[in-house]
Formats: sequence, structure tokens, C-alpha cells
Amino acid sequence: GDSVTQMEGPVTLSEEAFLTINCTYTATGYPSLFWYVQYPGEGLQLLLKATKADDKGSNKGFEATYRKETTSFHLEKGSVQVSDSAVYFCALSDRGTGNQFYFGTGTSLTVIP
Amino acid sequence: DTGVSQNPRHKITKRGQNVTFRCDPISEHNRLYWYRQTLGQGPEFLTYFQNEAQLEKSRLLSDRFSAERPKGSFSTLEIQRTEQGDSAMYLCASSFEVLGETQYFGPGTRLLVL
Repeated sequence: GDSVTQMEGPVTLSEEAFLTINCTYTATGYPSLFWYVQYPGEGLQLLLKATKADDKGSNKGFEATYRKETTSFHLEKGSVQVSDSAVYFCALSDRGTGNQFYFGTGTSLTVIP
Repeated sequence: DTGVSQNPRHKITKRGQNVTFRCDPISEHNRLYWYRQTLGQGPEFLTYFQNEAQLEKSRLLSDRFSAERPKGSFSTLEIQRTEQGDSAMYLCASSFEVLGETQYFGPGTRLLVL
């Protein structure tokens, strides 16, 4: 079945450090891939997405590239800010399963000044 | 505010009681999803609707869980005879049916079963 494996946290970085959060997936069809972010006390918000192989999603300085050959969708940011502190979820959506989302367990990021 | 709304935001109940949660999706969205999220975990899919049709319900956690979307607009999730293990955040999301659709999430209803 479909699944997402996400790098475990928590992750603590200093401001302006480089961020990578690893995400790999297993899917029976041709999934779309997503990163969602959950800020403290708030709901899940879409951060970025990619719908086919080699697509790059980007938003707010974050990027992730859909790599079919390695079944990965790693999240990166060149210089994190304190305001990026949140929990990040990798997810896939597979049309073959009615577009239900499969989420990773989430990675908590804390950025310290 | 035209986002997904959920009510109530918090619910405390005693074991054995029934609870019902409501979700109002974004108005033009025809798909509606329910998820459960426990502490330290990602959301877990429960069920989804396309318009008023419930297209997938095999992932509902037990027969105590049921969901409806009678007119293809708002939806309700009911848990009968609640157990302490039902304590979690219940999330609703909606989307419009296109390839690679994005799901937009509501703020969730946090349930505590005493």
C-alpha cells in the first residue's frame, strides 16, 4: 500500500542554517507529493506540492523536488528563520486510492536565534 | 473567512457518550475528507465524500464511527459509545476534484474522552 516515511525529529537549528527534512514514499500509482506545515496552535497549511516526476515545488524559500528514481521528496531551505519553527508533514495523494492523503509522522523544527 | 470550518473546536465527554462533529468545507469544493490525528503522529485518513456519496469508508476505525454528508455540503462525523482511545484531533479537509488536487484543512476538533 501507499505510505510515507519521514525523517524523525525533533530538529533544532540556529537561525540562517541550512535545512533538509528527508521524505521517501511508496505508492502503487502516480502520486502527487506535498509538504504541509503546522504552526503552533494552528491547522495544517499547504507549503508546496509537485504533481509529477522532476517537478520542483517552492514557496517561502522552501523547495522540494519530486524524484521518482529515488522515490523521494526532500524539503530544503537555504536559510531558516525563527518564524519557520513548526511541524512539517510530508504527504502523498494517489488518484488510484481516491486522492486520500497518506501523511508522514511529522518533523518538529525549532529555530533558535 | 472562506476556509474550512469545524465545530466545536474542543469537546470533552465521558466514556460511553456519543459525540458529533461538524465540518463546513470551502463552498465550491465537492470532496470532503475526515482524518484523525493523535499526538506525535501525522493525520490518519478515515473517510471521504464526493458530493453526497461516501466513496471510501473502510478505514473508519470501528463501527462506532460514522459520517454523513446529506446534501453534499457540510458533513458530520459521529462517534458512538466513546472510549478513552478515541481522544484525538479530528480534522476535516476539502478539495475540488482535479488531478493533483490540494486538500485544505480545517482547524480540527480536539476530543478528550474522560
